[in-house]
Amino acid sequence: DIQMTQSPSSVSASVGDTVTITCRASQGISSWLAWYQQKPGKAPKLLIYAASSLQSGVPSRFSGSGSGTDFTLTISSLQPEDFATYYCQQASSLPYTFGQGTKLEIK
Amino acid sequence: EVQLVESGGGLVQPGGSLRLSCAASGFTVSSNYMSWVRQAPGKGLEWVSVIYSGGSTYYADSVKGRFTISRDNAKNTLYLQMNSLRAEDTAVYYCAGLGSYNSAEYFQHWGQGTLVTVSS
Repeated sequence: DIQMTQSPSSVSASVGDTVTITCRASQGISSWLAWYQQKPGKAPKLLIYAASSLQSGVPSRFSGSGSGTDFTLTISSLQPEDFATYYCQQASSLPYTFGQGTKLEIK
Repeated sequence: EVQLVESGGGLVQPGGSLRLSCAASGFTVSSNYMSWVRQAPGKGLEWVSVIYSGGSTYYADSVKGRFTISRDNAKNTLYLQMNSLRAEDTAVYYCAGLGSYNSAEYFQHWGQGTLVTVSS
């Protein structure tokens, strides 16, 4: 199975800041990676697919990059509604696996 | 608008069974990959099972032999039959519809989730 490791596990930031979350795969997954946002008590929401493609309706302050084993999610100009938990997920092979999550908290 | 509505969760004793349903609208279950993803209380996301449009099914090792994914094309509904339930199966179970992009599939649409609690 492909292991996905996110860092940091949690991060504190202020409205207007830029935050970067990293995700590392235990083996190369090309660009077959997605990022999801989850708010408490809600289902996850797809933000980024294919490592860098923005899902329809997602604000352009979200961006993704990377390929192979190392990936990043960057959120620019943080808004109050961005404080949530973020997960990466590899779509290269079954079983699909997720990172452990990164909780973005308000400073 | 795509809607996925799960039902069937609840409290069940260890060793018991439960069947989850996911009724879809605005999204054709038989034409798309459909999956179940679960989340234990306070924990991260865990993929459980997928059914491909062609009917092939796959499972996480943690549920293989105990859970069965299926669909009813006429009802546009996805199911998860869960047998021999264990305490560690306690989680919110999400139904997800996958979207295909560049030869890979991602969890594009999600239901609101249904809670399964396995406890005596």
